[in-house]
Formats: sequence, structure tokens, C-alpha cells
Amino acid sequence: EVQLVESGGGLVQPGGSLRLSCAASGFTFSNYAMHWVRQAPGKGLQYVSAISSNGGSTYYANSVKGRFTISRDSSKNTLYLQMGSLRDEDMAVYYCARVVVVADAEWFDPWGQGTLVTVSS
Amino acid sequence: DIQMTQSPSSLSASVGDRVTITCRASQSISSYLNWYQQKPGKAPKLLIYGASSLQGGVPSRFSGSGSGTDFTLTISSLQPEDFATYYCQQSFSTPRTFGQGTKVEI
Repeated sequence: EVQLVESGGGLVQPGGSLRLSCAASGFTFSNYAMHWVRQAPGKGLQYVSAISSNGGSTYYANSVKGRFTISRDSSKNTLYLQMGSLRDEDMAVYYCARVVVVADAEWFDPWGQGTLVTVSS
Repeated sequence: DIQMTQSPSSLSASVGDRVTITCRASQSISSYLNWYQQKPGKAPKLLIYGASSLQGGVPSRFSGSGSGTDFTLTISSLQPEDFATYYCQQSFSTPRTFGQGTKVEI
């Protein structure tokens, strides 16, 4: 079964740091690009960051650029999101998602169950 | 960034109703459009990819259409388990932006 399991969320003070992990199983992790998407309480989905299958290319939303770092360890089948200088507006459930590409079409499937990051003093 | 706008933001419907949700892109995205369903407290689930292709295991009452800038998701006969929030997403360019969501309520 293809599965993604996030961990690492929790309560952090403004200005603090946190590292999220996304453990992948059931597929060849090194063959797929991966993304992080977040959802603030009661809000919609916001694209956060992406990394290519070999880790050579990364992308960040403007709102997190310079503060967050995406990485992956194929020996551990794990995706990471290192978050720093956290702000109130970073509080959200963070989802990791696998990118599936067939011909020209691309979509996110599956998604992990999400991990909650709470930013509060 | 490509902006995705869904309408309506919410709707009320009854079991058995035909429901249509619209998604409009700020520029042409060909058929690079996906639809996801999200239930409270759960992760989004892929319904439709490539504007009109049904993901495996998704009931045939769901269908998608459109190309260019205008897209629709149709539920032909709403079932109790379909009450959820639906999001469109473009995969034409990075960032892969989402619509703001459409909440389907009883």
C-alpha cells in the first residue's frame, strides 16, 4: 500500500524552528517528486514547497522562501521540511504529497494524514 | 502565479441532486486541472485528473470537463458521503495553485 506518514508537528513559539518529516512506503521513493501543502485552520489549501525526485531542484512559495528548507533522504524514504523564523501565519496542518506524472498530466496522490503546527507564545 | 477561482464558495443540496462546481483559471492551463475532495479532519483525496479523467475507485457519478480557463466538476446524483469540500488545482505551472474550495452542505 502506498502510504505517507507525517510527523514532527507541535507547539512552537513565534520565531522558533521545527522540522517536519514525511515517511514514505509502498513505492520507490526516489522516483517521485514530492510536495508540502498546508492548510490553516478553517482555510483552504496553500502550496508550500516542492522537491524533485533526485533532490536537485526545489521550489518555495514566496511566503516561506528564506525561512523553510525542503530536503529528502532516499536511504530513509523520508521527506523533510525544516521550518525557521516561524510566524503566526505559519500555523496550519502540513501535508506531504507524492506527485504522479503520466504523459503530460500531473497530480498529487496520495497525501499524508497531516501534522499540525501551532505557533503561539 | 496562476489564480484559480471556484464558484460557488458553498452550496446547499439534497441527496439525489445534480451538483455543478466551477473553476476558472486566470490564464489558459490547457487540461492541466485536477479536482480533490476533502472531508473534515481528513487529507484531500484525488477525484479527477487531467480535467476529465476519473481516478481509480472514484464513483462514476463524479465527472469533470473543460479546458483552457473554464472547468466544471459535476456530481450527477449527490450521495450522503459526498458532503465535503472540493478543490480544483492547476498543474500547468509552478506553483501548483489551488482554488479556494467549495463546501457542499446538506
